Amino acid sequence: DTAVSQTPKYLVTQMGNDKSIKCEQNLGHDTMYWYKQDSKKFLKIMFSYNNKELIINETVPNRFSPKSPDKAHLNLHINSLELGDSAVYFCASSPPGRVYSSYEQYFGPGTRLTVT
Amino acid sequence: GIQVEQSPPDLILQEGANSTLRCNFSDSVNNLQWFHQNPWGQLINLFYIPSGTKQNGRLSATTVATERYSLLYISSSQTTDSGVYFCAAVNQAGTALIFGKGTTLSVSS
Repeated sequence: DTAVSQTPKYLVTQMGNDKSIKCEQNLGHDTMYWYKQDSKKFLKIMFSYNNKELIINETVPNRFSPKSPDKAHLNLHINSLELGDSAVYFCASSPPGRVYSSYEQYFGPGTRLTVT
Repeated sequence: GIQVEQSPPDLILQEGANSTLRCNFSDSVNNLQWFHQNPWGQLINLFYIPSGTKQNGRLSATTVATERYSLLYISSSQTTDSGVYFCAAVNQAGTALIFGKGTTLSVSS
């Protein structure tokens, strides 16, 4: 199926651990994003990559490091996990274009991270 | 950056009722999308609608870009319509979607 996929769907880990969330899209899109949804369901952009280049880093602690090995993948690595990192993380992608942010974004199913 | 405000924050309906959800935004937009987050947490694209009107079954949306608002209409609501409806927008200077706080809809049978 054509889609944005994320793994794992659920992630439970202890404080201080390092973990990664993977995202892949097979839509042929050039731009990929990570959004965070907190416990109050507020969704906020974390990172945006266009053609493997970082476009946005929205005041995210440097414990979070996105990596884009190719245009179809944008992985999120988190070091030294803290309780406040517990949230749902959504990956998204949008089609190529001159003004990429003007195109429709498609979201993955989300990864629920719980830090204990 | 752009501000996105949604109203009402909560809405309770009986099955079969109609409803209108509103999204106000503070700047001209390149992109405006409506999403439904179902009780399982999945974000479902409803409409990509920076301007104009679109319809999809019982749902329709209208964006009046010059007046900086968008409306989502749900007709003959069903229990499966329950969940949180988000509006999100990008302005010309922006590079990612800015989300409103959502409208939580509960439809009872």
